[in-house]
Amino acid sequence: EPEVTQTPSHQVTQMGQEVILRCVPISNHLYFYWYRQILGQKVEFLVSFYNNEISEKSEIFDDQFSVERPDGSNFTLKIRSTKLEDSAMYFCASSDTGATSSGNTIYFGEGSWLTVV
Amino acid sequence: SQKIEQNSEALNIQEGKTATLTCNYTNYSPAYLQWYRQDPGRGPVFLLLIRENEKEKRKERLKVTFDTTLKQSLFHITASQPADSATYLCALDLFMDTGRRALTFGSGTRLQVQP
Repeated sequence: EPEVTQTPSHQVTQMGQEVILRCVPISNHLYFYWYRQILGQKVEFLVSFYNNEISEKSEIFDDQFSVERPDGSNFTLKIRSTKLEDSAMYFCASSDTGATSSGNTIYFGEGSWLTVV
Repeated sequence: SQKIEQNSEALNIQEGKTATLTCNYTNYSPAYLQWYRQDPGRGPVFLLLIRENEKEKRKERLKVTFDTTLKQSLFHITASQPADSATYLCALDLFMDTGRRALTFGSGTRLQVQP
């Protein structure tokens, strides 16, 4: 069954360093997402991406964050200068439809656990 | 503001019984609602989607109801098994500040099925 794959599974980084989290969405999907989950808290929406541009973003997704689809298969999340509070599990996801009345079922990867020290 | 609330942070039941989880929402009229399962350290996995014009949806031992008047969805697992132990999340497309929508999750209910 097709799946969303993410790398790395775990990364430890120093505060202030840049981090890039990588994702390969399901191949025929057109909509891509990043969510994060701080330990013990709920899954929070960060950003959605369609047609090579950001569709929606939450208030969490500030200027420190950026997303890119550098080629036909990868989708990346960059955090420019990490803070302690960025420590979380970051989930990449994809879907074949957007937020429409027909419903956009989202398929998640297994996550990248980021620890900022 | 729009909210999704899942009652019961945790629910413990005996194997074989029916588990019932609740999702309430406010200030919104969604076209559909979704349920996901999340195991510890793993990504959410889609289970069921129910649309506003559907009162009930079933998939094997799972049943979801959607009451748009009460603004509530109930998620049932019949003949529960220890393998059903996980956190169950409800999700809605909520409006962001941009005026567009994004799939937003409730905080989840942790279900523990005792053998």
